[in-house]
Amino acid sequence: EAGVAQSPRYKIIEKRQSVAFWCNPISGHATLYWYQQILGQGPKLLIQFQNNGVVDDSQLPKDRFSAERLKGVDSTLKIQPAKLEDSAVYLCASSLGGGGSTDTQYFGPGTRLTVL
Amino acid sequence: DAKTTQPNSMESNEEEPVHLPCNHSTISGTDYIHWYRQLPSQGPEYVIHGLTSNVNNRMASLAIAEDRKSSTLILHRATLRDAAVYYCILRPDYKLSFGAGTTVTVRA
Repeated sequence: EAGVAQSPRYKIIEKRQSVAFWCNPISGHATLYWYQQILGQGPKLLIQFQNNGVVDDSQLPKDRFSAERLKGVDSTLKIQPAKLEDSAVYLCASSLGGGGSTDTQYFGPGTRLTVL
Repeated sequence: DAKTTQPNSMESNEEEPVHLPCNHSTISGTDYIHWYRQLPSQGPEYVIHGLTSNVNNRMASLAIAEDRKSSTLILHRATLRDAAVYYCILRPDYKLSFGAGTTVTVRA
């Protein structure tokens, strides 16, 4: 079974530029998550989708971050404009069910973003 | 979110057992105890979870104290591939709230 795919794996941009990350979840997984992991810290949830609807975006900095999940499958996370503090690894995860307390999340390899 | 406390780091020798402690004194009755690990340059991966009873799977065992205020992840025979950051997470709902975790080093 193919895992969660993410691209690109690495991205370097200047501050104030825009960037987009793509995620393809495991086939059949209804729930998709985006996390931000700053160096030395654990991942932090940015947004959760169930099918193509947003369940939780309370930690998403909406003035600069946006995300969409078209047709309930692939998802894109965008940052516009980027700040230095956005340098982090952006992880995508998916889970089979409705995202309950025993719903296992499967993570992709992440995209490492460096903002100069 | 209920908080967990883990040691910052632990060292082990290859082929020896590793016992990773986690304290969660404010756990509520509906919180599941989850463990994920993150190998270098990879995303986290699920290890095991439990509610009240001890649990075993092919990767590890989870021992849960009777009062549920602490738990221990047991890797029965550590290999070099087990070197990772291990996260103990209390999960009442869909959220996985990661702390800093325990960095496990395995010596050959």
